[in-house]
Amino acid sequence: GDQVEQSPSALSLHEGTDSALRCNFTTTMRSVQWFRQNSRGSLISLFYLASGTKENGRLKSAFDSKERRYSTLHIRDAQLEDSGTYFCAAPNQGGSAKLIFGEGTKLTVSS
Amino acid sequence: GALVYQYPRRTICKSGTSMRMECQAVGFQATSVAWYRQSPQKTFELIALSTVNSAIKYEQNFTQEKFPISHPNLSFSSMTVLNAYLEDRGLYLCGVRTGALYEQYFGPGTRLTVL
Repeated sequence: GDQVEQSPSALSLHEGTDSALRCNFTTTMRSVQWFRQNSRGSLISLFYLASGTKENGRLKSAFDSKERRYSTLHIRDAQLEDSGTYFCAAPNQGGSAKLIFGEGTKLTVSS
Repeated sequence: GALVYQYPRRTICKSGTSMRMECQAVGFQATSVAWYRQSPQKTFELIALSTVNSAIKYEQNFTQEKFPISHPNLSFSSMTVLNAYLEDRGLYLCGVRTGALYEQYFGPGTRLTVL
C-alpha cells in the first residue's frame, strides 16, 4: 500500500541552528500536510501543500511538484518551543479523506 | 485555521466497559470527519471516515459494532469505544475537512487508558 517514510526519526538541535526534515512517498501524492505534535498530543497543522513551497516564520516547506514523491520541512533558527514530533501525511490514492502518516521525526531543541 | 474540539481530553475506563468521545468543529462546517487512533508507539490508524451524505466507512480491523459513530450534523461527531480492552489504549484524534481539499484539521485528541 501507499507508504510515507520520514527521516530522520530523531533529531537534536541547539538553539539557533537550522535543519531539514524529509518525507518520501512510495508513490506520487496529490498533496502533503505537515504537523507538529506537542507533548500533550495535540496535532497542529503547519503546512498543507499541493505543490511548490510555503513559508511561515522560521518554517518553510516544499513539495516536489514534478515527481510529487517527496517533501521537506526546513526549520531556521531553531527555538526551544520547536521541540516536538513532526509528522508528514498525504492522502491515500483512493481519493478519500484518509491520510497516510509517516512515523514522525522527534525533534529536541536544547539551549 | 479551523478549530476542532474534542471531549474528554483524557479518560480512564475499566477493561470491558465503554466510553464515548466527542468531536466538535467550531465556526465552520465539516465535509468529512475522520477518526484516527494513535498507538502508544505513535503510529496512526484510521478507524473510520464519515462524509456528508454518505455512509460511514470503517477501515479493516475496525467495525461499527466496536466503534459506533454518530455524525448528526456538519459540525459534530461522536464515537464510542465499546467493551474496551488494553489494545484499545491510545490517543483518539478526529480530523476534519472543510472543503474539497485534502487538508485536515485535528482536535487535541482523547487519550484513553484502559485498566
